[in-house]
Amino acid sequence: EDQVTQSPEALRLQEGESSSLNCSYTVSGLRGLFWYRQDPGKGPEFLFTLYSAGEEKEKERLKATLTKKESFLHITAPKPEDSATYLCAVQAGNNDMRFGAGTRLTVKP
Amino acid sequence: DAGVIQSPRHEVTEMGQEVTLRCKPISGHNSLFWYRQTMMRGLELLIYFNNNVPIDDSGMPEDRFSAKMPNASFSTLKIQPSEPRDSAVYFCASSLGQTPDTQYFGPGTRLTVL
Repeated sequence: EDQVTQSPEALRLQEGESSSLNCSYTVSGLRGLFWYRQDPGKGPEFLFTLYSAGEEKEKERLKATLTKKESFLHITAPKPEDSATYLCAVQAGNNDMRFGAGTRLTVKP
Repeated sequence: DAGVIQSPRHEVTEMGQEVTLRCKPISGHNSLFWYRQTMMRGLELLIYFNNNVPIDDSGMPEDRFSAKMPNASFSTLKIQPSEPRDSAVYFCASSLGQTPDTQYFGPGTRLTVL
């Protein structure tokens, strides 16, 4: 069965303290891996799509990478406004979408 | 653009009652998705439409759930009868294509079934 596991469940950082969020997956025929940001009381907001191992995408302080078994979302010098829940999702070969439970990130000033 | 519009934003109902959630997608988008989010199960895709036609409803939990898209600017998700385990936040999303990277999510409807 397709599975997506995100770790840690929660992460507290000081402003400027870089770190990484992990998304490990097992899926039949990966079509794409997606990262979203979700603020409290709002719907998810799309960040990145990764399609193949070795691929990397960057946006401001965020960088997403992909291997055959996992993806990392690296946050460089985070700011308080980066506080949110970050969701990872995979799309299988049959187009099924499966989301991870998310990592709740808090960045303290 | 106003983005995806969902109504109501909050709904409290009693077990056994019918619940109807509404969604207005972004104008020009041809795909619409309904999701459910709970603490226990996370975000789950329930059903999606392309050009107003249901493409995949394999995520709909049971026959108590039904979804319609009578035209390109309106969709409903109905639960009849509702049960306490249906309590969740229901999101609608729309996109120009069928891939997740073009989806825009609405603000969600928080449903509480007592």
